Amino acid sequence: DTGVSQNPRHKITKRGQNVTFRCDPISEHNRLYWYRQTLGQGPEFLTYFQNEAQLEKSRLLSDRFSAERPKGSFSTLEIQRTEQGDSAMYLCASSSRDSPEAFFGQGTRLTVV
Amino acid sequence: AQTVTQSQPEMSVQEAETVTLSCTYDTSENNYYLFWYKQPPSRQMILVIRQEAYKQQNATENRFSVNFQKAAKSFSLKISDSQLGDTAMYFCALDSGYALNFGKGTSLLVTP
Repeated sequence: DTGVSQNPRHKITKRGQNVTFRCDPISEHNRLYWYRQTLGQGPEFLTYFQNEAQLEKSRLLSDRFSAERPKGSFSTLEIQRTEQGDSAMYLCASSSRDSPEAFFGQGTRLTVV
Repeated sequence: AQTVTQSQPEMSVQEAETVTLSCTYDTSENNYYLFWYKQPPSRQMILVIRQEAYKQQNATENRFSVNFQKAAKSFSLKISDSQLGDTAMYFCALDSGYALNFGKGTSLLVTP
């Protein structure tokens, strides 16, 4: 297993467009997290899945954001009607039920122009 | 609410020297985990070291060790024999039960 994989690595989009990011967690991990990181800040929690169930959502996750994890495997994060303030690095992480240690992907850097 | 504070935005250390990064946190939980993550420039975040709150013994991983003071809610990271490859952002994080709360990070520069 090569770790947590995120695609694409970079995305440039025009304001108002929709974008979708994908995260493939470590295969035996049942927990999956999405975080957002802006320049000079630590990652901020967005949402958490345990298997296919979305158990927690941050108030940062506005109605324009939606995340899914069908079948408890990969996850997608969609942002509708992107705004310039959505420009950030979107990080995915996964962990197993036996350990609180989260393994991070390399992130998707979104730039909204 | 759980908070994590890193009061040192930037630090610099010479190669082979020792440096300590500070972190304080606030939580109402009695059992929790604390972590230090490293994020090298343009690379992914990796775990450096973790500490279980119920363990009194400070965690150690090779050149990395922590000073965990539960009563003071302090969790500092000591890097011994600093190497150029240690240059990175270092984030302190507190496990909230379902996710990690991160501090704003400390940018560490190791100079020759």
